[in-house]
Amino acid sequence: EAEVAQSPRYKITEKSQAVAFWCDPISGHATLYWYRQILGQGPELLVQFQDESVVDDSQLPKDRFSAERLKGVDSTLKIQPAELGDSAMYLCASSLDLWTRASGANVLTFGAGSRLTVL
Amino acid sequence: SQQGEEDPQALSIQEGENATMNCSYKTSINNLQWYRQNSGRGLVHLILIRSNEREKHSGRLRVTLDTSKKSSSLLITASRAADTASYFCATVIQGAQKLVFGQGTRLTINP
Repeated sequence: EAEVAQSPRYKITEKSQAVAFWCDPISGHATLYWYRQILGQGPELLVQFQDESVVDDSQLPKDRFSAERLKGVDSTLKIQPAELGDSAMYLCASSLDLWTRASGANVLTFGAGSRLTVL
Repeated sequence: SQQGEEDPQALSIQEGENATMNCSYKTSINNLQWYRQNSGRGLVHLILIRSNEREKHSGRLRVTLDTSKKSSSLLITASRAADTASYFCATVIQGAQKLVFGQGTRLTINP
């Protein structure tokens, strides 16, 4: 069964350091998502890509977070500098490009996530 | 921004009992989805119900949608220990192309 790959699974860093997360979506999935999930809460969308283009980054703290999907396949999410409040699970997901269809019924496939702890 | 709110926040039942979770949302939607998340893992899609549907079934899962009340419920029948997880509703707001999750219900099935 196809999976969304994420790495690293766990990352511990000190505040002010740089952190990067990588995601490889399911082959053929045009849409890629990065969500942040604070412990005990629901996932919050940080950025959404359609192929290599950003379609929504309204909740991405752009002063310290950046995301790219250069070739429209895998993606990297970076935090620089990391702050204590960034401690969370960073989830990557992908879906077929169904947003432009009348159904708009996109089902997301998630990776296992990258757990970040900032000390 | 928060669209869906699950109720209860936590639910603990005995194995074999039925579990019901509710989700309320604020604005008109295209569809509503339910996802499950085991501790420390990613989310897994369970079921999708469109705005013009009232009820859907998938195995031991039954989902209802009441667009007039802006609410949905997820029923898990004959619960098993393996059903222990957090359950999230997620909505696609009309006119938007993104999925917004609620805060989730933590379900514990006691053997």
